[in-house]
Amino acid sequence: AQSVTQPDIHITVSEGASLELRCNYSYGATPYLFWYVQSPGQGLQLLLKYFSGDTLVQGIKGFEAEFKRSQSSFNLRKPSVHWSDAAEYFCAVAPRGTASKLTFGTGTRLQVTL
Amino acid sequence: DTAVSQTPKYLVTQMGNDKSIKCEQNLGHDTMYWYKQDSKKFLKIMFSYNNKELIINETVPNRFSPKSPDKAHLNLHINSLELGDSAVYFCASSQGPGQGYEQYFGPGTRLTVT
Repeated sequence: AQSVTQPDIHITVSEGASLELRCNYSYGATPYLFWYVQSPGQGLQLLLKYFSGDTLVQGIKGFEAEFKRSQSSFNLRKPSVHWSDAAEYFCAVAPRGTASKLTFGTGTRLQVTL
Repeated sequence: DTAVSQTPKYLVTQMGNDKSIKCEQNLGHDTMYWYKQDSKKFLKIMFSYNNKELIINETVPNRFSPKSPDKAHLNLHINSLELGDSAVYFCASSQGPGQGYEQYFGPGTRLTVT
C-alpha cells in the first residue's frame, strides 16, 4: 500500500537559517508529489508539485524541493527561513495519472525562533 | 472573492444530532473533495465528486453523506454525530480528477461533538 513518511514531527530553526523538511514515499511507481503548508487556523496552500521533468522544483515563498528517485524522497528546502514560515508542512502523493486521491504524510511542524 | 469557502467555520453540537457543512467554489472547477483532519493533524480523503458524480468514496461510516447539487457546491451531511467525529473538515476543489490538477483547499470547519 502506498504511504508517505515525514520523519520529523517538529523542527525548530532560527530565523535566517536554512531549512530542509524530509519526505519519503512508498509507491509502486513514481507518484505525483506535493508539498502543502498549513498556517494556524488556516486551510492548506500548495507550495509546489512534481509531476515529471526537472527533479528540482521551485515553488512559492522561496521554497524548492528535490525529487530523488533512488531514495524515494521529495525533500523541501528553503535557504533562509522567515518567522512567517512557522506552520505545519505536509508532503502528499497521488497516483500517476490522477491527482485526485491525495495521500498525506503526518506533517512537520516548523517553529522559527527570532 | 474567496476561491473555496466553507460554512460554518465552527460547529459545536451534541452527540446524536444531525448537522451539515456546506462548501462552495468559484473557480469553475469540475472536481470537489472532502477531507477530515483529526486531532493529530492527520489528513485523510473522504469523498470526491466530479461533475456531480461520486468518484472517490473512502471507508467512511454511512452516517456521512455527501451531496453535490451542482459543480460549484459539495455539502457534507452527518447523521447521529459521535464524539469521534470531532475534527476539522476541509473542502477542496480541482480543475479535474486527472493529471496536472492541483487541489485548492477551503479554510476548514472545526466540528466539536460534546
